Order: sequence, then C-alpha cells, then structure tokens
Amino acid sequence: NAGVMQNPRHLVRRRGQEARLRCSPMKGHSHVYWYRQLPEEGLKFMVYLQKENIIDESGMPKERFSAEFPKEGPSILRIQQVVRGDSAAYFCASSPPGSLAETQYFGPGTRLLVL
Amino acid sequence: QKEVEQNSGPLSVPEGAIASLNCTYSDRVSQSFFWYRQYSGKSPELIMSIYSNGDKEDGRFTAQLNKASQYVSLLIRDSQPSDSATYLCAVNWIPAGGGNKLTFGTGTQLKVEL
Repeated sequence: NAGVMQNPRHLVRRRGQEARLRCSPMKGHSHVYWYRQLPEEGLKFMVYLQKENIIDESGMPKERFSAEFPKEGPSILRIQQVVRGDSAAYFCASSPPGSLAETQYFGPGTRLLVL
Repeated sequence: QKEVEQNSGPLSVPEGAIASLNCTYSDRVSQSFFWYRQYSGKSPELIMSIYSNGDKEDGRFTAQLNKASQYVSLLIRDSQPSDSATYLCAVNWIPAGGGNKLTFGTGTQLKVEL
C-alpha cells in the first residue's frame, strides 16, 4: 500500500517563476492537507481539501498561493511569482474519510529553493 | 490563536533510559492529540495518537493526556540511538466551519547517547 506521494522532491526556481507541487494521497484517503515548514520552524497548516472542494484555506497566504484537488489526479499547490521567502519544505498529508479523518499521514515533502 | 508549546531541547538521555517529552496547548476544546517523529531532512512520521485522558501504550512508547491541565506527554522507554530525532506534538480541533486542522509545536530534539 503506497503511502502519500509527492513530487518533485526537490524544486529550484528563480524569483518570479511559478512552482507547482503535486500530492497523491494514500489509497482510500479523501482528505488532503498542505503544510509548510520553514527552516528552524514548526509545521504550519496551509490548506485542507477534499475532492473538488477547499474546506479550509485559513493558513494560505492571500496572494500568489492556490491549491486544488480535482476529481481526477493529484492535489496541486501552486505558488506564483515565487520569492526567496517561499523557500521551505512543503508537506502534504492525507487522512481517510469518516471517524479516522483526524489521523494524518505525511508524504516525503517537496523542498523548494528559490534563488 | 491556538498554540502548542514544546521545549526545543536538545534533551539528552543515555541509551536505555526513559525519555520524557512534554507538550502544553492553549485550546480547551481540542479533540485529539498526536506525536510525530521527524528525522533531519525527512517528513513527520506518526508515532502515537491519544483522544481521552490517561495513558496509552504502544511498544516502548506511552502517551499521556491530561485535558484539565492541557498537557500531553510522550515517554520512550529503553531509549535507543535510533530514537534520536525531533518529536513534534500536534493538536487537532474542528473549527466552527468544519474540517480538521493540526497545530504543531516547534518540536523537541531528542539525543540518545551511547
């Protein structure tokens, strides 16, 4: 049973470019979460999605960041016009439907470096 | 603002000893509590979850929850060098609008010394 998959594992972008991070949840999981971990800081919640719906985006910066979880395919976190402060590890987590929805399992992360 | 606080450490314990990791949280309506282990450069790995007051044991790990004191801890018995990692405390609550949201502490670095 494959775990949460994320790609790419490492991404280098120059300032002003776009970054697209992909996440495929564990099989049977319908809830996807994105977190950001800045160097020497804790994990910060960004957004919570179910298929075709954004449930909670209270942790997303108001500009340049967007997320989607389409009916088919992976969830995508998109960062437009990246700046150096966007350099961080971005983790996706997934959880199953129902009463176990709280238990989140993390993918390997995407390390974004903005030059 | 919901907060989760942990001592950043490092906490150093000798091999074979009991490591005690502590976490306090500020929100009284939090639903569930989790401990994750994160090795340097890796992703968080779920170790334990606990939902009700008391102790929960799983192998060498014991999670303890006291909701009245807003306190959750993780004990690691017979600590091994492979336990050396950062341990993240996470608290979940369900916002008024629905959904799930984990709030993480900044983690406690554990070093198990030979």
